[in-house]
Amino acid sequence: DAGVTQSPTHLIKTRGQHVTLRCSPISGHKSVSWYQQVLGQGPQFIFQYYEKEERGRGNFPDRFSARQFPNYSSELNVNALLLGDSALYLCASSDAGTGAWEQYFGPGTRLTVT
Amino acid sequence: AQKVTQAQTEISVVEKEDVTLDCVYETRDTTYYLFWYKQPPSGELVFLIRRNSFDEQNEISGRYSWNFQKSTSSFNFTITASQVVDSAVYFCALSEGRDDKIIFGKGTRLHILP
Repeated sequence: DAGVTQSPTHLIKTRGQHVTLRCSPISGHKSVSWYQQVLGQGPQFIFQYYEKEERGRGNFPDRFSARQFPNYSSELNVNALLLGDSALYLCASSDAGTGAWEQYFGPGTRLTVT
Repeated sequence: AQKVTQAQTEISVVEKEDVTLDCVYETRDTTYYLFWYKQPPSGELVFLIRRNSFDEQNEISGRYSWNFQKSTSSFNFTITASQVVDSAVYFCALSEGRDDKIIFGKGTRLHILP
């Protein structure tokens, strides 16, 4: 079975632009979470969506938004990009949507803002 | 508040030596889950173990072992007879189980020298 997939793999954007990152969960998984990992730090939780509803939100500005589609894939949108948004963006999927179950991480999208 | 502390930023050992990675956590919940993830240079997070707060049994998986002590809020990870392929960044993490939000430590970069 395919694991969590993310696209694109790498992305270069300019300050002020908008970006959309995509994630497809493991088949059958209804929960998708997004994390931002800045170089040298651990991943930080951005959002969780379960059954197309936002279940959790981390401490990120409103420039960050996300949604989940009927097929459980998800998009993360970031508006008005700042240099500090440069990071590896990780998507994780799980079955039940609670921390009791294992989350599977995708390979990430590396975003560079210049 | 939730917090995970990995005091060791970077560790270098010679191949075949044993090495222990320290993790201390903070949570007010009585039900929580602890994790260890490995992040090789490729960037993908690899799940190693999940332990719930009610199970303090130590676990061994091949060369890997984990020591969970609630009395000291620690969840340490030991690699026995280290190998060069063990070189990576290792993250300890915590989830309080209500959702998929995982709080990661800052990671320990492990170098295994041949």
